[in-house]
Amino acid sequence: EAGVAQSPRYKIIEKRQSVAFWCNPISGHATLYWYQQILGQGPKLLIQFQNNGVVDDSQLPKDRFSAERLKGVDSTLKIQPAKLEDSAVYLCASSLIRYTEAFFGQGTRLTVV
Amino acid sequence: TQLLEQSPQFLSIQEGENLTVYCNSSSVFSSLQWYRQEPGEGPVLLVTVVTGGEVKKLKRLTFQFGDARKDSSLHITAAQPGDTGLYLCAGPYYGGSQGNLIFGKGTKLSVKP
Repeated sequence: EAGVAQSPRYKIIEKRQSVAFWCNPISGHATLYWYQQILGQGPKLLIQFQNNGVVDDSQLPKDRFSAERLKGVDSTLKIQPAKLEDSAVYLCASSLIRYTEAFFGQGTRLTVV
Repeated sequence: TQLLEQSPQFLSIQEGENLTVYCNSSSVFSSLQWYRQEPGEGPVLLVTVVTGGEVKKLKRLTFQFGDARKDSSLHITAAQPGDTGLYLCAGPYYGGSQGNLIFGKGTKLSVKP
């Protein structure tokens, strides 16, 4: 079974630029999560989708972050404009049933300079 | 406010030693999950505990869920360098809109040969 695919693996941008991350979850997984992980800390949930609908985006800084999940499969997370404090690893995860085992991608390491 | 508190934050031990890490909350969780994350990778699920008082074993790892389902522990017997990583506990939290899967900040374990 193919795992969760994320791209790119690494991205370096200047502050105020925009960036987008892509995630392809495991086939058949209805729930998709985007997490932000600051170095050495646990993942912080940004947004959760159930199929193509948003379940929870209460922690998403909506003035600069946006996310969509077209057709309930792939998802993109965008930051515009980026700030220095956005430097982190952005993890995408999916699960078959909400709140059960979450399968994670390798993440995208973003550095904002 | 961190809903899942993990301790200790860092732990450095010699190969062959035993250790216990903790995950505590003031809230009741229907289940708790333990993940291990290695550098440059996403977290990988180790176990899910569901019943209060439950004990699960995975080779040298023993997981326990508190009777009141507010806390959990992970005990490693005879630690090996391959156990090095970030250990995260996670659980479904329904305090927001429709709930999400939240993580603690993790325990960073280093096992030296």
